[in-house]
Amino acid sequence: AQSVTQLDSHVSVSEGTPVLLRCNYSSSYSPSLFWYVQHPNKGLQLLLKYTSAATLVKGINGFEAEFKKSETSFHLTKPSAHMSDAAEYFCVVSSLHGSSNTGKLIFGQGTTLQVKP
Amino acid sequence: KAGVTQTPRYLIKTRGQQVTLSCSPISGHRSVSWYQQTPGQGLQFLFEYFSETQRNKGNFPGRFSGRQFSNSRSEMNVSTLELGDSALYLCASSLDNNQPQHFGDGTRLSIL
Repeated sequence: AQSVTQLDSHVSVSEGTPVLLRCNYSSSYSPSLFWYVQHPNKGLQLLLKYTSAATLVKGINGFEAEFKKSETSFHLTKPSAHMSDAAEYFCVVSSLHGSSNTGKLIFGQGTTLQVKP
Repeated sequence: KAGVTQTPRYLIKTRGQQVTLSCSPISGHRSVSWYQQTPGQGLQFLFEYFSETQRNKGNFPGRFSGRQFSNSRSEMNVSTLELGDSALYLCASSLDNNQPQHFGDGTRLSIL
């Protein structure tokens, strides 16, 4: 069965400094992995997705993530945090049936990113 | 292109009542999934519909049900509401299983 673990429930950075949100995954096959962001009282917005193409994935708003199979990790990074980045971030894996994606997403517990001025 | 639309945005019900939530997917998307989000349990998968058929189901009791119409719009119904059903219910749509899911802003359901 697939699963994701977000290693930090809360991360605090200063504006203009780098962001690192950590995620480890477990999957029998090569997974489809995603990062979503949720601002207060809003739905989830897709930041980026990994689907077995390039291991370094670039997303929106300057975020990127690197898929490392040897470490079963998919950490999210951004070189310089902005106040508007303050939100909750979810690492997500697509549930598989055999080696095929199903319509079910499995979410990590979320990381709250605080950005201090 | 309009995004995923969920109605209503907020809903207050009492224990024992039933409720129906609506989701209109992005035009052309045939897969619609539903998720429950609570502070304690996080985001949990309820079910997924594709071309009016339920393809996947999560581990929720039978009080939670759904359906999808021929225009891909979907509804979920919760009967005999319990206090623990208070949550944000999110709907997501996608073209197919190999494409990312796009989420609506959710319906916040409060049970008194």
